This record gives sequence, C-alpha cells and structure tokens, in this order.
Amino acid sequence: GENVEQHPSTLSVQEGDSAVIKCTYSDSASNYFPWYKQELGKRPQLIIDIRSNVGEKKDQRIAVTLNKTAKHFSLHITETQPEDSAVYFCAASKPGGSYIPTFGRGTSLIVHP
Amino acid sequence: DAGVIQSPRHEVTEMGQEVTLRCKPISGHDYLFWYRQTMMRGLELLIYFNNNVPIDDSGMPEDRFSAKMPNASFSTLKIQPSEPRDSAVYFCASSLGQRYTFGSGTRLTVV
Repeated sequence: GENVEQHPSTLSVQEGDSAVIKCTYSDSASNYFPWYKQELGKRPQLIIDIRSNVGEKKDQRIAVTLNKTAKHFSLHITETQPEDSAVYFCAASKPGGSYIPTFGRGTSLIVHP
Repeated sequence: DAGVIQSPRHEVTEMGQEVTLRCKPISGHDYLFWYRQTMMRGLELLIYFNNNVPIDDSGMPEDRFSAKMPNASFSTLKIQPSEPRDSAVYFCASSLGQRYTFGSGTRLTVV
C-alpha cells in the first residue's frame, strides 16, 4: 500500500520567515495530494491540495509543489504569522473510490512572534 | 451544513468499561472513516465504510474494537473492554469524492 513520509516532525520559525514541509510517497499511482492544518484541540482541515497534472499551486501565502518523478511534494508558507502555528499533515491518495488518503505523521509548526 | 458531528466531545471512563463513540456524517457523503490520533502514532485509519458497508477494517487494533454503520446518517465505534492504552482522540470523517471532512473528535481517557 501507499506510504507517506513527512519531514520535519517539528519546525520552529520566527514570524515573517518562510516554512517548508516536505513529504514523499511510495505509490506512483497516487494522484491527489491534500494538506491539512490542525490547530490545537481542533479537527484537521483542508488548506490546499494539488493534483498530479500540475506542478505547483498557490493560495495567498501558501503554496504546494509536486515532483512526480521524485515522488515528493512540499508545502511552503511565506511570511509566517503566529496563527500559522499548528500541526500540518500531508496526504496522498489514488484515483477511484473516494480519494482515501494515506496521511503523513504530521509536522508541528511553531511561529514565534 | 452542520458538518460531521461526533459525540461525546470528551469521555473519561474506567478500565474495563465499554465505551461507545458516535458519528453523524455529512448528509449525502458516501464514505465514513474512523481514525485514532495519538502523539506516538499520529493519525491511524481504523476502519472505513462505503454506503454503510465496512470495506477495510485492517486498522482496527484488536477484537475489543468494533464499528457499525446501521444507516447512512449514523455510525458507532465501540471499545469493550477499554484499556488505558486506548486513550486518544478519535476522529470520524466523511467524504463524497474529494470533499473530505473531519468531525471535531472525541477525546477518550481511560483511567
């Protein structure tokens, strides 16, 4: 089955810096890669996603890149703010069915004011 | 849309007791998932249903865990008997195609 590795497990940055979280996947058939943000004590929520037919997608301060050949994808957050502090999960899923995702272990991002 | 609704939000129980967690998926969603989240193991998929039918329960840790989905609007996850190592946050999620939504979770503490 699919295996998703996520790094780093913790990331500490100063407000205004950029943050990058990286994930690799094992199944070349995976074609959908969502990212979830989980604030303390809350549910994971989708913040951005990318499909395998594009290499990059951007939404304001958040961007995701995908390298299908290397089977890795990354989340980039620019101009970080304290409210970006959360656990971020990457996931990968294959076509068909309901996009059942395999999640990474999560990255705890701490943005220091 | 009220989202995925889980109850209770918090549950504290004694070891050996039966625990039942409840989930109401988003209306119209055809998949329902149960996850367990701990610091040590992250998000673990326990079981998922498609149109109320269990499809994959390979993530269920032991026979003490069971899940049912008697209709499209309700699912339960039961632990009997509960043990301290079952303490975790249990999330339910439902989906239709790409629309994947988590509930608010149930924080279970077994003492």
